[in-house]
Amino acid sequence: DGGITQSPKYLFRKEGQNVTLSCEQNLNHDAMYWYRQDPGQGLRLIYYSQIVNDFQKGDIAEGYSVSREKKESFPLTVTSAQKNPTAFYLCASKEGDQPQHFGDGTRLSIL
Amino acid sequence: AQSVTQPDIHITVSEGASLELRCNYSYGATPYLFWYVQSPGQGLQLLLKYFSGDTLVQGIKGFEAEFKRSQSSFNLRKPSVHWSDAAEYFCAVLTTDSWGKLQFGAGTQVVVTP
Repeated sequence: DGGITQSPKYLFRKEGQNVTLSCEQNLNHDAMYWYRQDPGQGLRLIYYSQIVNDFQKGDIAEGYSVSREKKESFPLTVTSAQKNPTAFYLCASKEGDQPQHFGDGTRLSIL
Repeated sequence: AQSVTQPDIHITVSEGASLELRCNYSYGATPYLFWYVQSPGQGLQLLLKYFSGDTLVQGIKGFEAEFKRSQSSFNLRKPSVHWSDAAEYFCAVLTTDSWGKLQFGAGTQVVVTP
């Protein structure tokens, strides 16, 4: 079945450590997105990418970085510069005007 | 700038009763509108979408939504809720730029009581 796979489901980070969240899709979608979800705030866009080797900052990109070396992969790195990284992170992809498809998310916590 | 407002943070409804979730948007043109549902610890699942045409849109799981341009609203309804409908619901609008970004509301948490 085609879909979006996010891993790991749960992730713990020590203070001052960078961590990378994986997002892989086999839907052959061009566009991919990363969102952060906090209670009561809905989803906020971190980064997005329309094509391979190109990506744009979203509304809350500070403290995060991404890469898009392959069409099917869009990893998100949460750097030590992100002072409040505890959140639920969702990856999505889409093609053309079709709705975004979402992965099952990664919950990041600070030790 | 586009914005999406879901006025109700939390709704409690009895099983078998009807449900209506409100969504208001601020947008300069004809919007593309979506409703998503999220179960705890899961990703978002698309319930329905409105692009154009008939203003009453049917979705999955027995949900429907009505687009009302005059009220800038896209309310979600279900005639009779089931316990499995307990979840968080998000309204979203596609932004005007060419990047396909979605602007989400803050969500409405639905609790279903026996």
